[in-house]
Amino acid sequence: NAGVMQNPRHLVRRRGQEARLRCSPMKGHSHVYWYRQLPEEGLKFMVYLQKENIIDESGMPKERFSAEFPKEGPSILRIQQVVRGDSAAYFCASSWDRGNEQYFGPGTRLTVT
Amino acid sequence: AQSVSQHNHHVILSEAASLELGCNYSYGGTVNLFWYVQYPGQHLQLLLKYFSGDPLVKGIKGFEAEFIKSKFSFNLRKPSVQWSDTAEYFCAVAAPNNAGNMLTFGGGTRLMVKP
Repeated sequence: NAGVMQNPRHLVRRRGQEARLRCSPMKGHSHVYWYRQLPEEGLKFMVYLQKENIIDESGMPKERFSAEFPKEGPSILRIQQVVRGDSAAYFCASSWDRGNEQYFGPGTRLTVT
Repeated sequence: AQSVSQHNHHVILSEAASLELGCNYSYGGTVNLFWYVQYPGQHLQLLLKYFSGDPLVKGIKGFEAEFIKSKFSFNLRKPSVQWSDTAEYFCAVAAPNNAGNMLTFGGGTRLMVKP
């Protein structure tokens, strides 16, 4: 049973470009969470999605960031017009139901040059 | 809002020493509690969890944690560490009654075990 998959594992973008991060949840999981880990900090919640719905985006920056989890395909975290401060590790997690434990993917390390 | 604090940012131990990592949270309602571990170059893995019942929970690899509700604490323990326990450890809290069910993480504790 494959775990949570994220790609790419490493992404380098120049300032002003767009970054697209993908997350495929574990088989049978319909709840997806995105977290960000800035250098020397713990993980911070960004957004919680179920299929086709954003349930909680209280941790998302108000501008340039968006997330989706379509009926078919992976969840996508999109960052438009990236800035150096967006450099971080972005982790996706999934769970079978809202109250269950979350399983994490390997993360995508975004570097903005 | 929930918050989680881990008091020790860096811990260095020799093999066979006992380990206790502190975790305190602030939230007045019912919580689910977790410890995750991140080995070098790997993703977060669940060590153990507490939802309800016996406040002393056993996890993988000989780890255990005790939930003390009156102290808002969920400290992680291991009687005898091994070199392979070198990793970063994260305490996390979820409030299951919130629609978001997001995890709130502590800042992490980097454990180095010297052989």
